[in-house]
Amino acid sequence: AQKVTQAQTEISVVEKEDVTLDCVYETRDTTYYLFWYKQPPSGELVFLIRRNSFDEQNEISGRYSWNFQKSTSSFNFTITASQVVDSAVYFCALFTSGTYKYIFGTGTRLKVLA
Amino acid sequence: NAGVTQTPKFRVLKTGQSMTLLCAQDMNHEYMYWYRQDPGMGLRLIHYSVGEGTTAKGEVPDGYNVSRLKKQNFLLGLESAAPSQTSVYFCASNAGLGGAKNIQYFGAGTRLSVL
Repeated sequence: AQKVTQAQTEISVVEKEDVTLDCVYETRDTTYYLFWYKQPPSGELVFLIRRNSFDEQNEISGRYSWNFQKSTSSFNFTITASQVVDSAVYFCALFTSGTYKYIFGTGTRLKVLA
Repeated sequence: NAGVTQTPKFRVLKTGQSMTLLCAQDMNHEYMYWYRQDPGMGLRLIHYSVGEGTTAKGEVPDGYNVSRLKKQNFLLGLESAAPSQTSVYFCASNAGLGGAKNIQYFGAGTRLSVL
């Protein structure tokens, strides 16, 4: 069975703090893809990053970084020096080409307080 | 560059009424999806299509029907709306299964209330 778990329902931090959003996935497939999407208060879903199962290299993009660890089936997302504009709901998703389906976690609501 | 366009953006229905939500993409994508988003439940797949003329059921298909008569359009129908279908509906599309083609692009959403 495919599953994505985002155990953190809501996180509140003060501006400039670092914050990590957790994502744990389950799949029996050896080829799969993991995604993070951001949903700001305006409601649209914005693609942030995609990682395939053969590439465990961590990635950094500005204040954002992602840590992919197959050994723990996790794909965590860290925001460094958070800003109020980072306030949003963040979704982690899993895709396996054999199913054509994307499985989304329930999301983590991040509130960054000024 | 419009991307994925959903119409309408908002709608209020009475129980038992029918309606169709339209999703249109201008990126020549093969794959299209309909999701619903409910508080605390993330996005759940209703139906999807892997190409023109094809449709398949997702996780929560009951009460919905879909059609993909043209590659660029994916319609979601509610034949007899129920209060349980009050939700925000998102359409998404992607070009293919591998590489960057499996990045999904989403519409802005349709907020539906069924009274």
